[in-house]
Amino acid sequence: EVQLVESGGGLVQPGGSLRLSCAASGFTFSNYNMNWVRQAPGKGLEWVSYIISSSSIIYYADSVKGRFTISRDNAKNSLYLQMNSLRDDDTAVYYCARDRWLGSAIKYSFDSWGQGTLVTVSS
Amino acid sequence: DIVMTQSPDSLAVSLGERATINCKSSQSVLYSSTNKNYLAWYQQKSGQPPKLLIYWASTRESGVPDRFSGSGSGTDFTLTISSLQAEDVAVYYCQQYYSTPPAFGQGTKVEIK
Repeated sequence: EVQLVESGGGLVQPGGSLRLSCAASGFTFSNYNMNWVRQAPGKGLEWVSYIISSSSIIYYADSVKGRFTISRDNAKNSLYLQMNSLRDDDTAVYYCARDRWLGSAIKYSFDSWGQGTLVTVSS
Repeated sequence: DIVMTQSPDSLAVSLGERATINCKSSQSVLYSSTNKNYLAWYQQKSGQPPKLLIYWASTRESGVPDRFSGSGSGTDFTLTISSLQAEDVAVYYCQQYYSTPPAFGQGTKVEIK
């Protein structure tokens, strides 16, 4: 069974930093491309970042570019999101989501999701 | 960037009746060389993460009941629940994966009348 378990969320002041982790199990993590998707309280879904299986290709939403860094450790079956210069509008549940497609030609269909970790940015 | 717009924002349907959700993209998500529409549908129940229902606009993900169906091409798409069940109460999102950044519609809340 595919499992994705996020951790690292919490309360942080504006301008602060946080590092999210996602532990993967039940599949060959090193074969799959991964994403972070967030959802502000009571709002819709917003894609945040993508990393290919080899880490050689990375994309970010404009709203987080220059502030967030996605990375992965295939030996540890783990995905990460380093979040710096956090703002009030970064407050959201952050989901780790597996990309359905292998390879790099097609991306961004999210077939497995974690339960999410809540990040609250507030003074 | 492609913008996805769903309608309606919410709808209430009687048990056993049909529910129809529309999704419109600001530009075509049909990739001409493959003739595939890069459009997915997700279901999110209260307090849960989203679940992939449909991809390629009309292909059901494994395990998804056949009362869920997707249709459309180019810029206009529809998710139909043929006979609404109590467990279908949720927010439904369309999403394009034609280009970066991928984008979701604002969501449609489906309730029981």
